[in-house]
Amino acid sequence: AQTVTQSQPEMSVQEAETVTLSCTYDTSENNYYLFWYKQPPSRQMILVIRQEAYKQQNATENRFSVNFQKAAKSFSLKISDSQLGDTAMYFCAFMRSYSGYALNFGKGTSLLVTP
Amino acid sequence: DTEVTQTPKHLVMGMTNKKSLKCEQHMGHRAMYWYKQKAKKPPELMFVYSYEKLSINESVPSRFSPECPNSSLLNLHLHALQPEDSALYLCASSPSFEGQGAEKLFFGSGTQLSVL
Repeated sequence: AQTVTQSQPEMSVQEAETVTLSCTYDTSENNYYLFWYKQPPSRQMILVIRQEAYKQQNATENRFSVNFQKAAKSFSLKISDSQLGDTAMYFCAFMRSYSGYALNFGKGTSLLVTP
Repeated sequence: DTEVTQTPKHLVMGMTNKKSLKCEQHMGHRAMYWYKQKAKKPPELMFVYSYEKLSINESVPSRFSPECPNSSLLNLHLHALQPEDSALYLCASSPSFEGQGAEKLFFGSGTQLSVL
């Protein structure tokens, strides 16, 4: 079974600063996907970024980027120029390739962006 | 249209009531999912439908009854719920349940359910 660990239950960052959220995972699979989801107070689950394991290049989406270290089984999320709207719960998730039902979430990191 | 629409957004029900949650998508996705999420916890998978057939039931109590009447619509029928069933119920869809496209999961905004 795959496990996803987010070691930071809560984090805080000032507006315009940069913050990095950690995620590690354990798997014996070679092909898989990793995700970062954002869940703001509205509780909508929003996809932030998706990384395919076979792609060595780190995925980026505007201010969001990941540092994917496959050998170390690490998948951290960097948020640059933090904005108040980034305040949310962030979930790291693992999916075995081609298995939509097999989405394993970490416990989440609650991020607070302060003025 | 890349939306998964869930109704109602909020629902309060008594333990003897019968109610239904509805989820709709018009992206042509053939896999649809129900997740349950307690406060400050990650979502937990309940059911998966693939091509309108129930493919996965994660040992969910029978007081939760899913239904997929067509490829765009997913219902969750609720009956004789307990207070501990109070949670956010999230619907999701993806182009497929297995194979390419399974990773393109879209979530709805959820129904916040309170059982009194």
